[in-house]
Amino acid sequence: NAGVTQTPKFQVLKTGQSMTLQCAQDMNHNSMYWYRQDPGMGLRLIYYSASEGTTDKGEVPNGYNVSRLNKREFSLRLESAAPSQTSVYFCASSDYGYTFGSGTRLTVV
Amino acid sequence: QKEVEQNSGPLSVPEGAIASLNCTYSDRGSQSFFWYRQYSGKSPELIMSIYSNGDKEDGRFTAQLNKASQYVSLLIRDSQPSDSATYLCALISSGSARQLTFGSGTQLTVLP
Repeated sequence: NAGVTQTPKFQVLKTGQSMTLQCAQDMNHNSMYWYRQDPGMGLRLIYYSASEGTTDKGEVPNGYNVSRLNKREFSLRLESAAPSQTSVYFCASSDYGYTFGSGTRLTVV
Repeated sequence: QKEVEQNSGPLSVPEGAIASLNCTYSDRGSQSFFWYRQYSGKSPELIMSIYSNGDKEDGRFTAQLNKASQYVSLLIRDSQPSDSATYLCALISSGSARQLTFGSGTQLTVLP
């Protein structure tokens, strides 16, 4: 009964480093999402995937890329991390209601 | 103008009181509205959804929707210290293919 699993939970990067945030869901949902949450900003949509094989930009896509590897997995990649990407990242999946992962706390120094 | 506006608070109420959380939105075509609760350091969890004008009650929670005024609210009756959290208003905009747009959240503290 895992729901949405995100890895890693914490990460510290140096400016310019790259990394991939992993997300997997076991609820057979078609749609998956990546959000970032900054203090006082709520959650902002980075990218989403309405179904396997499709991805689309959200509100704040610059500096990120995504891959919908299969129906279960949706990864978020930072090619060259910047301090402005310090945030908490949430993956979510939905069939009708949203289920969120536990989040990744990323610090870029 | 932000698509979803919430008073950031903080809002403090005494235990047992009614907490009232408010949200306004700009897209008149929005059809689906949600309230999420987020404890500090945790992920958001859905507590209420509402789609039609009027009130929807679930236990101590009541969601209210007024599409003409573009206004959504959440009432928490008999507030408990365990209700202390940030409450996020969210909606699905018209033509958005079911992406949620969130407000910035209202921090609620229930004082024992």
